[in-house]
Amino acid sequence: ELKVEQNPLFLSMQEGKNYTIYCNYSTTSDRLYWYRQDPGKSLESLFVLLSNGAVKQEGRLMASLDTKARLSTLHITAAVHDLSATYFCAVGRNNNDMRFGAGTRLTVKP
Amino acid sequence: GAVVSQHPSWVICKSGTSVKIECRSLDFQATTMFWYRQFPKQSLMLMATSNEGSKATYEQGVEKDKFLINHASLTLSTLTVTSAHPEDSSFYICSARDIAWTGELFFGEGSRLTVL
Repeated sequence: ELKVEQNPLFLSMQEGKNYTIYCNYSTTSDRLYWYRQDPGKSLESLFVLLSNGAVKQEGRLMASLDTKARLSTLHITAAVHDLSATYFCAVGRNNNDMRFGAGTRLTVKP
Repeated sequence: GAVVSQHPSWVICKSGTSVKIECRSLDFQATTMFWYRQFPKQSLMLMATSNEGSKATYEQGVEKDKFLINHASLTLSTLTVTSAHPEDSSFYICSARDIAWTGELFFGEGSRLTVL
């Protein structure tokens, strides 16, 4: 059974600092997703990673995928308050749905 | 990007009543839609996979007689919570896969159900 482990679960950081969120998964998959969720809202798609070595960047966020290590990272550069949210990674399953990690609740403090 | 619309956004109902939530793909055809449930401060848990024109596939532990799913067209799936109880209160989110599968799933805005 596919298991997705995300860490850390909670993260409090100062504005301007860098940090990385990790997503490990247990079985082979070629689809890895990162989403952002604000309180009371649905998911906002950040990145879709479909191949080994894929790296995508959008603003202060950069995601990468290593399918051999079954690891994806979401790197935050020079954090700002607006990035405060919960971030989920999700791994694609054979039936085309996805299994979600537990989420990382990020708080960026001024 | 593709748009998935859920309705209603939130609903409050009395215990014992049934509630229907709609999930529509507005600008694409979706052969497959997924229904998730999210409790406060938790992750999303897949409840069932909805396939157009066929029966839904339910995840282990999800009561198919309680959570009725109908996917009658390529743009609409419905989730009906029958005889709702307070423990069914949750945030329900649907996602849809484009018939031209690109690897991405598109999520609805979510529907918050509160059962009194």
